[in-house]
Amino acid sequence: KAGVTQTPRYLIKTRGQQVTLSCSPISGHRSVSWYQQTPGQGLQFLFEYFSETQRNKGNFPGRFSGRQFSNSRSEMNVSTLELGDSALYLCASSKRTGESGYTFGSGTRLTVV
Amino acid sequence: AQSVTQLGSHVSVSEGALVLLRCNYSSSVPPYLFWYVQYPNQGLQLLLKYTSAATLVKGINGFEAEFKKSETSFHLTKPSAHMSDAAEYFCAVSERGSSNTGKLIFGQGTTLQVKP
Repeated sequence: KAGVTQTPRYLIKTRGQQVTLSCSPISGHRSVSWYQQTPGQGLQFLFEYFSETQRNKGNFPGRFSGRQFSNSRSEMNVSTLELGDSALYLCASSKRTGESGYTFGSGTRLTVV
Repeated sequence: AQSVTQLGSHVSVSEGALVLLRCNYSSSVPPYLFWYVQYPNQGLQLLLKYTSAATLVKGINGFEAEFKKSETSFHLTKPSAHMSDAAEYFCAVSERGSSNTGKLIFGQGTTLQVKP
C-alpha cells in the first residue's frame, strides 16, 4: 500500500518567487492536511481539504493557499516567498475524520534564499 | 485555545532503560491524542492514538501510552530503550467535532537520546 507522496523533496527558491508543492494521499483517503515545520515555531497547521473543499485553516497569511483535486491529490502554493518561509512542509492524509489518525508524507524541504 | 505541553525538550536514557516522555494537554473535553516519531529528514510516523477506547494504548515498536483524564496527561513509555529509538517525538491533539477537522495541535517535541 503506497503511503503519502510529496513532491519535490527539496526545493530552493529566491525571495519574491512563488512555489507549488504537491501531495498525493493514500488511496481512499479523502482528507489532506498541510503543516509547516520550523525549528523556531515547531509544527503548525496550515489548512485541511476534504472532497475539494477547504474545511479548516490555520493562522497563516493569504500568501499561503491550497487546493484539492477530484482524485484527492492536493497542492499548496506560497506566493511572494520570504526568507521566513524556509521550512519543512508536511502533508498528511486521513480517511475521513481525525479519529482515524493521520498518515504523513516525508515532506518537502523549502529553502528561500 | 487547545494546547499541548511536552515536558523536557531533551531526554537521555541508557540502552535498556525505561523511556518516559511526558505530554499534557489543555481541554475541558478529552480530545483525540496521538504520539508521532520523526527521524532526521523524514516525515512523522504514528506510534499510537487514543480515541476514547481503552485508556492504556499500545502502539508500534513496544511503545504504549496511558490517558489520564484527571491529570490531562498522555505520557509515552517503553520498558526498554533501543538505540533505534533515538529520534524526536511529538505529542499531538485533535479536538472532537467538525469545527477542528484535520487540525492537529503539536507539542514542541522531545528529542530522545539513547546512550550505549
